[in-house]
Amino acid sequence: QVQLVESGGGVVQPGRSLRLSCAVSGFTFRNYGMHWVRQAPGKGLEWVAVVSYDGSNKYYADSVKGRVTISRDNSKNTLYLQMNSLRAEDTAVYYCAKDPGYYESSGQFDYWGQGTLVTVSS
Amino acid sequence: EIVLTQSPATLSLSPGERATLSCRASQSVSTYLAWYQQKPGQAPRLLIFDASNRATGIPARFSGSGSGTDFTLTIGSLEPEDFAVYYCQQRSNWPPLTFGGGTKVEIK
Repeated sequence: QVQLVESGGGVVQPGRSLRLSCAVSGFTFRNYGMHWVRQAPGKGLEWVAVVSYDGSNKYYADSVKGRVTISRDNSKNTLYLQMNSLRAEDTAVYYCAKDPGYYESSGQFDYWGQGTLVTVSS
Repeated sequence: EIVLTQSPATLSLSPGERATLSCRASQSVSTYLAWYQQKPGQAPRLLIFDASNRATGIPARFSGSGSGTDFTLTIGSLEPEDFAVYYCQQRSNWPPLTFGGGTKVEIK
């Protein structure tokens, strides 16, 4: 069965950095695009970033552009989100999500991890 | 950026009743619209993709319709497990991918 397990969340001071990981199993990771989606406490869903199946294409939400880098290691079946210059407004549960498009990202999310909480606070 | 507006914000219904949720886009998204269900403390789950196609394992009581700017998610007869928050999401013109603000379906 498909599993996505995020890790790396925690409490971090404003301006500091954090790297999130998402370990996946149950499907051929190298064939699918992957996304990060976040949800601030009590709020709705916000798309953060996408990386293509081979890591060659990456796109970001304006709210995180220049501060966040999405990447993947297909040999380790793992997705990453490097977050720098963190702000209070980055406080959220961060979900990794699989795109159902085979090789070409479709912009949908068919499987989600359980999420990891990032709290930015002094 | 395409803005999605969901209504109502909260829908109070009883089990067995029919639920009708609306999602309106700020510009046409053709049929590139999905619906997700989220229960408290859980990740979202894909219900409907491309406006009207049920995802794998989704019961037939969930149906989606619409095209262009106006979309509807209908739950034919509410089961206790259907009380949750529902989000629409567009993939017509991205990045960015955008979500609606959500509709909470609560027990009356």
